[in-house]
Amino acid sequence: GAGVSQSPRYKVAKRGQDVALRCDPISGHVSLFWYQQALGQGPEFLTYFQNEAQLDKSGLPSDRFFAERPEGSVSTLKIQRTQQEDSAVYLCASSRGLAITDTQYFGPGTRLTVL
Amino acid sequence: AQSVTQLDSQVPVFEEAPVELRCNYSSSVSVYLFWYVQYPNQGLQLLLKYLSGSTLVKGINGFEAEFNKSQTSFHLRKPSVHISDTAEYFCALPQRNGNEKLTFGTGTRLTIIP
Repeated sequence: GAGVSQSPRYKVAKRGQDVALRCDPISGHVSLFWYQQALGQGPEFLTYFQNEAQLDKSGLPSDRFFAERPEGSVSTLKIQRTQQEDSAVYLCASSRGLAITDTQYFGPGTRLTVL
Repeated sequence: AQSVTQLDSQVPVFEEAPVELRCNYSSSVSVYLFWYVQYPNQGLQLLLKYLSGSTLVKGINGFEAEFNKSQTSFHLRKPSVHISDTAEYFCALPQRNGNEKLTFGTGTRLTIIP
């Protein structure tokens, strides 16, 4: 596809359930980023990958959050034992590289609601 | 740590009127600044970015921004807005010299009044 795609677009989970959010980056983009956007706030950095290597996961809020990109393309953000405070839009972005001149292209996001 | 502040959470503007969305930054390293736009139910899209050189940066959809080092500002402007400009606008800057860790402001919701 032409842009970054994310699935599902909407996810409702009961508290305590595990969820998996998928991101398909733009073909050929080696860098991939995850952000969390709470209601009324700007996106907040969670983690990023260069190919399959996770180079920074300092933004992950707890050890319940786990991200992977095993083949350097598709990425999955997994949240275990979801809590109500995990309700947010999860955004994925990709870029050609990590240079300041490389633009991050964002997907439409997955809106997670934890009941 | 580097940060950006968007003081206006909502800005209503009449159609065809000019608009300015404010962004102030705090940084102890080289300053690079971005403006992103988020249309309803869509992902963020880059409007423009300041990396170096001319302090007046022109972006897409008729928007421009001016980097002002003395006032630590990077305000976004458009001389005449349209209904289609209704969206959320975010100012952002990287934590390092690459693009890998962007810090976003809280956003400004621009509402165009017909």
